[in-house]
Amino acid sequence: GAVVSQHPSWVICKSGTSVKIECRSLDFQATTMFWYRQFPKQSLMLMATSNEGSKATYEQGVEKDKFLINHASLTLSTLTVTSAHPEDSSFYICSARGWRGPSGREQYFGPGTRLTVT
Amino acid sequence: RKEVEQDPGPFNVPEGATVAFNCTYSNSASQSFFWYRQDCRKEPKLLMSVYSSGNEDGRFTAQLNRASQYISLLIRDSKLSDSATYLCVVKGGGSQGNLIFGKGTKLSVKP
Repeated sequence: GAVVSQHPSWVICKSGTSVKIECRSLDFQATTMFWYRQFPKQSLMLMATSNEGSKATYEQGVEKDKFLINHASLTLSTLTVTSAHPEDSSFYICSARGWRGPSGREQYFGPGTRLTVT
Repeated sequence: RKEVEQDPGPFNVPEGATVAFNCTYSNSASQSFFWYRQDCRKEPKLLMSVYSSGNEDGRFTAQLNRASQYISLLIRDSKLSDSATYLCVVKGGGSQGNLIFGKGTKLSVKP
């Protein structure tokens, strides 16, 4: 079964509005969460890495004031796309890394959120 | 040079065919290597890890050549359900190394 959930799975919003995406680790504590973005026919691009209780580390070219990340607990991270524009339309995927049973410290992906900004 | 390079394909093959994908990576300090599978509009899912000694999982065989910084995936007796995009993924060095994804190679298996 799924070990990482994302909500919503898809969202359509108007240009200028903000959208919040939640990522939860379901049966383990995620010490680190990653947010990726994937445009059509492109590879997953890491946007930012967050450790619980500390500020996120953003990759070069990703605006931290536009993509707000909160990793307030070991099971929840949120990504807020502020003042969304059509060019922000993309597939956003979170990933959680932590110790999970005998599998050890692995990275698990959420099902993704498809954002369309009109 | 891109960190992880793959032939984007598409590879169109008939059922039962054997198909091979290749991947090269630029960072010689990379520690771990994987093949992921991604279906259309879905998240990537781990297919298998890749080791220098090579590893096999059913119809899938993965190989790593550290000297050449080259990774391969072989699929034998391909099924319709193998149709997907296969992502070559490299993890950087250190315990905090991040996953670096290739663009993926699209495979389409036809009846």
